[in-house]
Amino acid sequence: AIRMTQSPSSFSASTGDRVTITCRASQGISSYLAWYQQKPGKAPKLLIYAASTLQSGVPSRFSGSGSGTDFTLTISCLQSEDFATYYCQQYYSYSWTFGQGTKVEIK
Amino acid sequence: EVQLVESGGGLVQPGGSLRLSCAASGFTFSSYWMSWVRQAPGKGLEWVANIKQDGSEKYYVDSVKGRFTISRDNAKNSLYLQMNSLRAEDTAVYYCARPLFGGVIVTPDCWGQGTLVTVSS
Repeated sequence: AIRMTQSPSSFSASTGDRVTITCRASQGISSYLAWYQQKPGKAPKLLIYAASTLQSGVPSRFSGSGSGTDFTLTISCLQSEDFATYYCQQYYSYSWTFGQGTKVEIK
Repeated sequence: EVQLVESGGGLVQPGGSLRLSCAASGFTFSSYWMSWVRQAPGKGLEWVANIKQDGSEKYYVDSVKGRFTISRDNAKNSLYLQMNSLRAEDTAVYYCARPLFGGVIVTPDCWGQGTLVTVSS
């Protein structure tokens, strides 16, 4: 199975900060990479697919980049509603895998 | 409006069985692959299974192979997950999910609210 490793696992940030989360795949997955945001007690919300395509309705402060094995999610100006846990997910193979998650907390 | 509504969760003893259902509406169910994804309490997301539009292809995470069976009834717009030989580590919220595009297996953009399965004696 393809392993997805996110870093960091958690960190604290302030409103207005620029934040970056990285995701590394154990093998090349081209651009078959998605990013999700999840808040407590809620289902995940798709932010980005195909590594860099913003899902409809998602604010433009979210962006994604990368291909092959290394990917990043960037939030350009952190807002209060962005404090949540973020997951990367590969769908290169029919057996999907998620990263372990990155929790973004308020400093 | 696209809707996915899971049901069938509950408390079950180790070794027991449970069948989850997902009722789909607001889209052409028979045109989409469908998936189950779970999340153990306080843990991350784990993909469980995928099923093709006509049920001819199914994929499972290794930890449930031989114990769980994904199926669908396109006439009833419903997705199922039959879970046998349940273990404590299967305790999780189970989500039904629909991919972003019909016809291909891609990441989900639509999720149900989840149903909690608790495996405990």
